[in-house]
Amino acid sequence: RKEVEQDPGPFNVPEGATVAFNCTYSNSASQSFFWYRQDCRKEPKLLMSVYSSGNEDGRFTAQLNRASQYISLLIRDSKLSDSATYLCVVTGGSYIPTFGRGTSLIVHP
Amino acid sequence: GAVVSQHPSWVICKSGTSVKIECRSLDFQATTMFWYRQFPKQSLMLMATSNEGSKATYEQGVEKDKFLINHASLTLSTLTVTSAHPEDSSFYICSARDGSSGYEQYFGPGTRLTVT
Repeated sequence: RKEVEQDPGPFNVPEGATVAFNCTYSNSASQSFFWYRQDCRKEPKLLMSVYSSGNEDGRFTAQLNRASQYISLLIRDSKLSDSATYLCVVTGGSYIPTFGRGTSLIVHP
Repeated sequence: GAVVSQHPSWVICKSGTSVKIECRSLDFQATTMFWYRQFPKQSLMLMATSNEGSKATYEQGVEKDKFLINHASLTLSTLTVTSAHPEDSSFYICSARDGSSGYEQYFGPGTRLTVT
């Protein structure tokens, strides 16, 4: 089992839709969780950290479920500009980050 | 804040030559820097982790004599690809982490290396 797993997609949704991604992790001792966004041929950019209490930033909501060992990202009112690959990152006790392979989102008109 | 620069942004070199890539944290002190490689349509692959003032820790399968990493200061790390081969052509990305403010990483813009 891979340490961090994501559905590669692509998720193809119309503008205005709500879409959710999950990411599962295998190390129960993992401590820090993040969502990054990567556009084609660009570097990843931090989208948001994921806290145990969940957090929201505008149209984006991230949740952590430690019992089931997954994190989620919810995007409401999708925009064309949200089209990208969303990377899940988990940091364990060694503080070395582990990336998922990413979930591709395509928002169409 | 949290800006990371990388230089050069792209480079073309001939087989057998060496290429140095610089990664700088511009507005914070990076206690840890990471070097990644990404092939087209594939995920980021961590190559090595470097902490300022100490030797880099390489991931399994990454040749430390071929990919030389130096992290001499809290704002600069360099990756040198020695005796480059065409199969080393890839997108190399560094990231930096300010250990005093959490575990978020901030990425440089990447360097696209083409070896002919």
